[in-house]
Amino acid sequence: NAGVMQNPRHLVRRRGQEARLRCSPMKGHSHVYWYRQLPEEGLKFMVYLQKENIIDESGMPKERFSAEFPKEGPSILRIQQVVRGDSAAYFCASSPVQGVGFTDEQYFGPGTRLTVT
Amino acid sequence: AQSVTQPDIHITVSEGASLELRCNYSYGATPYLFWYVQSPGQGLQLLLKYFSGDTLVQGIKGFEAEFKRSQSSFNLRKPSVHWSDAAEYFCAVVTLSGGSYIPTFGRGTSLIVHP
Repeated sequence: NAGVMQNPRHLVRRRGQEARLRCSPMKGHSHVYWYRQLPEEGLKFMVYLQKENIIDESGMPKERFSAEFPKEGPSILRIQQVVRGDSAAYFCASSPVQGVGFTDEQYFGPGTRLTVT
Repeated sequence: AQSVTQPDIHITVSEGASLELRCNYSYGATPYLFWYVQSPGQGLQLLLKYFSGDTLVQGIKGFEAEFKRSQSSFNLRKPSVHWSDAAEYFCAVVTLSGGSYIPTFGRGTSLIVHP
């Protein structure tokens, strides 16, 4: 059973371009979380999605950022008109269910390191 | 709002020495508590978790953590550190927020192991 896949692993974009980060959850997992890790900081929650639904996007910047998890295919985190401050590692995690008591831990992907030049 | 504090940014220990990484949280009720490890260039791997019951929990790789409600702490310990334990360690608190269970991570503690 393959783990959580993220691609690309490294992405370089010029200011003003769009960045698309992809996350394929583990087989059988229908819940996806996106996090951002700035240098010297911990992970910050961005968005929680189920198939075709955004459940919680309280951590997403209000502008330029969007996320989707379609019925088929990977989850996509899209950053439009990137700025230097968007340079960070973006991690995706998946879990099979989100039950009462958070009994299912999240399985993390290796991350995508975005560099904005 | 909940918060997680890892007061030590870096910790250096000698191989074979004991280790304790500190984690304090701020939350009105008992949260769900996790410790993760992150090796360079990798994603996070779960070491252990606490939901309820016995306040001393055992994890993988010989790690354990103790939940102390009175101190709002969940410190990670290992009796004898190996060079391969050098990594970044993150404490996380999971709380119910707007109907979803959302984690809040500490900023991490970088463990350096000297031979």
